[in-house]
Amino acid sequence: GAGVSQSPSNKVTEKGKDVELRCDPISGHTALYWYRQSLGQGLEFLIYFQGNSAPDKSGLPSDRFSAERTGGSVSTLTIQRTQQEDSAVYLCASSPRTSGIGSEQFFGPGTRLTVL
Amino acid sequence: QQQVKQSPQSLIVQKGGISIINCAYENTAFDYFPWYQQFPGKGPALLIAIRPDVSEKKEGRFTISFNKSAKQFSLHIMDSQPGDSATYFCAASMGDNYGQNFVFGPGTRLSVLP
Repeated sequence: GAGVSQSPSNKVTEKGKDVELRCDPISGHTALYWYRQSLGQGLEFLIYFQGNSAPDKSGLPSDRFSAERTGGSVSTLTIQRTQQEDSAVYLCASSPRTSGIGSEQFFGPGTRLTVL
Repeated sequence: QQQVKQSPQSLIVQKGGISIINCAYENTAFDYFPWYQQFPGKGPALLIAIRPDVSEKKEGRFTISFNKSAKQFSLHIMDSQPGDSATYFCAASMGDNYGQNFVFGPGTRLSVLP
């Protein structure tokens, strides 16, 4: 009955290093989203996975960002050669279906990334 | 077309007062309008949602008013409490509800004074 979990909760890294952020969605949820939330800002869509379909990567800000979802469950967001402007909270959400009522997104607590 | 506008950016209300947050959209294909509540250090959580075939939905102290012709919807928090202090996001999605078709407003930071 656990919700969406994310790890680590906090990550401090040096500029130029690669980081991996993990998301464990709610079991059985077919849709998975990654968002970025900068301090005091709204949610910036990054990438969306739905079942076995090709992911919607249209929100990724640069080719330094990539994500994968293995076995339709766990997802990893990778940021290569991190920059200071990558500092933000990265939120993962999952959803049991893809349209209308019931497609509510359940969010994890986020990973706070700080790039020094 | 994909934007959802939200106002005000921040709101301060006395305990017991009414908090009102407004959102507007352009794309008439949107068919699901949820509101999310986010406390500091937590991810957003669904608060209440509405479909465009109704003009109002009430759950406890929270009410969504929906004006389809004006393409606007609002959240009303009656008898606001300090525990309601959070950031509120409106959102809109359409049909297949994927990726860029699930759009969030920029958020409203609500502070309810004791």
